[in-house]
Formats: sequence, structure tokens, C-alpha cells
Amino acid sequence: SQTIHQWPATLVQPVGSPLSLECTVEGTSNPNLYWYRQAAGRGLQLLFYSIGIDQISSEVPQNLSASRPQDRQFILSSKKLLLSDSGFYLCAWRRDNMNTEAFFGQGTRLTVV
Amino acid sequence: SQKIEQNSEALNIQEGKTATLTCNYTNYSPAYLQWYRQDPGRGPVFLLLIRENEKEKRKERLKVTFDTTLKQSLFHITASQPADSATYLCAALRTSYDKVIFGPGTSLSVIP
Repeated sequence: SQTIHQWPATLVQPVGSPLSLECTVEGTSNPNLYWYRQAAGRGLQLLFYSIGIDQISSEVPQNLSASRPQDRQFILSSKKLLLSDSGFYLCAWRRDNMNTEAFFGQGTRLTVV
Repeated sequence: SQKIEQNSEALNIQEGKTATLTCNYTNYSPAYLQWYRQDPGRGPVFLLLIRENEKEKRKERLKVTFDTTLKQSLFHITASQPADSATYLCAALRTSYDKVIFGPGTSLSVIP
């Protein structure tokens, strides 16, 4: 069966510090991968999505970047965090080229102080 | 770009009643609409999918409709239970290859 791992679960970082959130998927190959951010009481904002290694699409101009160094690994990064980067970050995957649902990780609660 | 709208106000209903949640979309008509449930501090969990050419889809106590004329999907939970209390998200895909765009979600509280 397929599983998705996302870590860490919570993170408190000072303004100006770097960020690296990692997401890995097991049990499938060539998944479509997504990073979403959810502000308190708000919906999911799509940040990045990837259909393959080193193929990243950015949805919103921001202080963040994403990379996919391996087929089932998706990393969200920032060189210098802003207060506005605080939120609940969710990684998700879907099967390639199929109409299927998205499977989400448990999320990372990021607080920038 | 596609925009998904859902009831911004929380929905409170009595246990045993039917909850109806609304999802409206602008711009293009999505080929697929999906509904997810999200509990506090957790990632969303998929519930149902409905295709553009389907009028209605059912799964146990859940029912989803898709009206392309009204650009709307309705999500029904019959015989609601307190355990159904959660935020429900509507999501749209233009094609099976497309990214998944979510609405803001509607918070549902089922009162015993």
C-alpha cells in the first residue's frame, strides 16, 4: 500500500532563518506531488506541484521554493523565513495521469517568530 | 484561473438531520469535482468524486450532485451524527492530469 510521510509535525523558527520541509511517498512510482499551505481558518492554497523529477510548477510568487531530487521526494525550502510564512503546510500526492484523489500527509505546523 | 467558493459561515445542524454543503465554481467547468473531509490539525481525507457527465453520486450516507448549468456541486450527509463534525472541502480538476484546486471549506457541527 502507499504511504506519505511528512516531517516535522511542528516547527518554530525565527524570522530570517532557513526552512526545509521534507515529504516522501512510498509504494508508488512517478506520483504527482503537491505542496499546499493553509492559513488559520482558511482553505488550501496550492504552492507548488510536480509531475516528475526536477519538474516543478510554482503557483504563487513567494518566499518559498520547492525541489524534487528523487521520484518520491518533495522538499519545500526557504532561505529566509518571513512572519507571513507561518501556517499549516501539507504535502500531497496523486497517481500519475489518472483521475484519482489526492492523499495528504499529516502536515507541518510552522510558526515563524 | 479557477476559483472555488464554499459557504464561509459554519453550518450547525441537529443530529439526525441532513446536512447540505454548497460548492460553486467560476471560470471553466471542471471535469471532476472531489469532496474531502478535514479534521483540526490533520490533512484532508478524500470522500467522493463526481465527473462532469454524472448528475449524482452516492456512498453510504453521502451524496454529491454536479450541476454544470448552475456551476455548482451539493454535498449531502443524511442522518448526520456528531462524528460528522469537521470541515468539508470541495476541489476541482480540469482534467485528470490537472492540479487539484481547493475551495476554502465549510465547517460543519452536528449537535447531539
